[in-house]
Amino acid sequence: EPEVTQTPSHQVTQMGQEVILRCVPISNHLYFYWYRQILGQKVEFLVSFYNNEISEKSEIFDDRFSVERPDGSNFTLKIRSTKLEDSAMYFCASGPPRVEDEQFFGPGTRLTVL
Amino acid sequence: DQQVKQNSPSLSVQEGRISILNCDYTNSMFDYFLWYKKYPAEGPTFLISISSIKDKNEDGRFTVFLNKSAKHLSLHIVPSQPGDSAVYFCALQYNQGGKLIFGQGTELSVKP
Repeated sequence: EPEVTQTPSHQVTQMGQEVILRCVPISNHLYFYWYRQILGQKVEFLVSFYNNEISEKSEIFDDRFSVERPDGSNFTLKIRSTKLEDSAMYFCASGPPRVEDEQFFGPGTRLTVL
Repeated sequence: DQQVKQNSPSLSVQEGRISILNCDYTNSMFDYFLWYKKYPAEGPTFLISISSIKDKNEDGRFTVFLNKSAKHLSLHIVPSQPGDSAVYFCALQYNQGGKLIFGQGTELSVKP
C-alpha cells in the first residue's frame, strides 16, 4: 500500500539554525500539507500546497517557514532561525486528485530545538 | 482555538463492548467531518468520514454520527477490540481538500 514517508525521523538542532524536513508524498497525489503537534497539544495545520503554490497557511507559518516541491516527488518544509518553541512533531500529509478522499499522513519528524 | 473539542481525554472500555467517542464544534460552516486514529510514534491514520449532508456513515465496526443542530459528532466502535487502543482525533474541514482542524484527541484503552 502506498504511503507518505518522512525523513529524518528525529532532528536535533541548535536555536537559530536552519532545518529542512523532507517528505515524499504518495505519487499520484496533488494536495500537500504540513501539520505539527507540540507535545501534549493538538495537531495544528501549518500550510497547504497545490499546483506548485501555497493555497493556505496558518498564523504559525510565519516568514521563517517555507515549503518547496523541488523535483516533483519531494515536498520540503524549511524553518530558518529556529526557536525553542518550534520543537514539535511535524507531519506531512498528501491528498489524492479526488478531493473528497482523506489526507494521508506520514510518520512524522520529531524536531528538537536546543 | 476552541473550534473543535473532544472533552474526554481518555476512555476505557471492555473488549467486546461499545466505544463511543465524542466531538463538539462551534462553527456551522464545517462541511466534512473525519476521524483519525493515532498510535505512538506514527502519523494519524484515517478511519471514517461523513459530509454535512448525511447524519450517519458506517464502515464495518465503525459508525460515525453527525448531529448538525447540536454541532456534535460521535464515533461508535462495536465490538471494541484491544487493537483499537489508540488516540482518536476528530478532524473537521470547511471544504474538501482544505485544512483539517483537529480536536485534542481521546485516548481509548480496550481491556481484554
